[in-house]
Amino acid sequence: DTGVSQNPRHKITKRGQNVTFRCDPISEHNRLYWYRQTLGQGPEFLTYFQNEAQLEKSRLLSDRFSAERPKGSFSTLEIQRTEQGDSAMYLCASSFSPPMGAFFGQGTRLTVV
Amino acid sequence: RKEVEQDPGPFNVPEGATVAFNCTYSNSASQSFFWYRQDCRKEPKLLMSVYSSGNEDGRFTAQLNRASQYISLLIRDSKLSDSATYLCVVQFSGSARQLTFGSGTQLTVLP
Repeated sequence: DTGVSQNPRHKITKRGQNVTFRCDPISEHNRLYWYRQTLGQGPEFLTYFQNEAQLEKSRLLSDRFSAERPKGSFSTLEIQRTEQGDSAMYLCASSFSPPMGAFFGQGTRLTVV
Repeated sequence: RKEVEQDPGPFNVPEGATVAFNCTYSNSASQSFFWYRQDCRKEPKLLMSVYSSGNEDGRFTAQLNRASQYISLLIRDSKLSDSATYLCVVQFSGSARQLTFGSGTQLTVLP
């Protein structure tokens, strides 16, 4: 499968714990995006990489969130001290530069209890 | 005001009907436009790009009106399998390169 891959698919964690998600983009794509989606809403932008450089980070993103893309390949998104409001689907997408439309992974569904 | 706005619907149409969705965007310096389809509890999937001259892909036609800052999606001869949420997506020019999504329009095609 050469699509965007995300792991884990589901994560249940207790409030206050740290979680980390991984995204493996389509190999030829140099752009990588992280989005968050809650029920009934469209995906909300979190952050964006071009190769290994993090070029944009949403103002809505608290400092509990951090993302990396070492060597411009896979990316990780870490949420520290999780809160119930962090419960959502976390989506990763990748594209060429300039974008011809981004392709999404199946997402990681996070539930904070 | 949201950067990308869509009528949330729901649109309930019979099989074979023609249905159209509109989407408006607030930033006139927008660069690229797309329609995505999202099935329940699945990831968004790229349906089609939207070009200034308008473009068609089978039963789907997308149009862009830069002067009025809206894009549209027309679905002809609706199929049951077209039932999904349709997301309007805009990429703004300038330093920001993220794709900005509307909240989606829900379509149900009825037998």
